[in-house]
Amino acid sequence: EAGVAQSPRYKIIEKRQSVAFWCNPISGHATLYWYQQILGQGPKLLIQFQNNGVVDDSQLPKDRFSAERLKGVDSTLKIQPAKLEDSAVYLCASSPQQGVGELFFGEGSRLTVL
Amino acid sequence: SQQGEEDPQALSIQEGENATMNCSYKTSINNLQWYRQNSGRGLVHLILIRSNEREKHSGRLRVTLDTSKKSSSLLITASRAADTASYFCATDAYSSASKIIFGSGTRLSIRP
Repeated sequence: EAGVAQSPRYKIIEKRQSVAFWCNPISGHATLYWYQQILGQGPKLLIQFQNNGVVDDSQLPKDRFSAERLKGVDSTLKIQPAKLEDSAVYLCASSPQQGVGELFFGEGSRLTVL
Repeated sequence: SQQGEEDPQALSIQEGENATMNCSYKTSINNLQWYRQNSGRGLVHLILIRSNEREKHSGRLRVTLDTSKKSSSLLITASRAADTASYFCATDAYSSASKIIFGSGTRLSIRP
C-alpha cells in the first residue's frame, strides 16, 4: 500500500513570495490533515478535511494561507505572501475516517523563508 | 494551542536501559496516541490507548493512561540506538473527537 505522498520535499523562497504544497493521501482515506511543525516543536493542526469539506480550520492564518481538497482526494496548501515565521515543515496526514485510529503521515515539505 | 505536554523535553540514556516519557493533557479525551519522528522524517504511529483502558503493550512499548490525572506515560524497554527519535503524544478532545492535537515532544537519544 502506497503511503502519503508530499511534494516538494524542500522549498526555499524569499519573504512575500508564494508557495504551494501538494499532498496525495492513502487511497480511500476520507480524512486529510495539514500540520505545521516549527523546528523543535510538535505539529500544529492547520486544517482538517473530511472528503472535500473542511472540518476544522480554526488555526489556519486565513489572511495568507489557503487549502483545498478537490474531489476529496489530493490537497494543496498555499501560502501567499510568505513571512519569515512560516519557515517550518508542513506535514500532511490522512486517516480512513475522522476521530478513529491512527494518522498516516507523509515525509513533509520543508519550507525556508529568507 | 497544544493539548499535550511531554516531559522531559530531552532524555539521554545508555543503550539497553529503559526510557520513560510522560504526557499531560488538559481536557477529557476519547483516546491518546503516541508517535515517533526520526530526524527529517514524518511521524509514525506507535500505539493507541482508549480512555477506558489503563495499560497497553506493544513489543518493547508499554503505555499507561490515568484519566483522573490527565496523564500518560510511554515506556520503551531495552532501548536500542534505533530508538533515537522524538516522541509525541496526541489526543483528541472529547468535545471534538476528530481533532487530533499533538504535544511538544520528548527528544530521546540512545548512547551506544
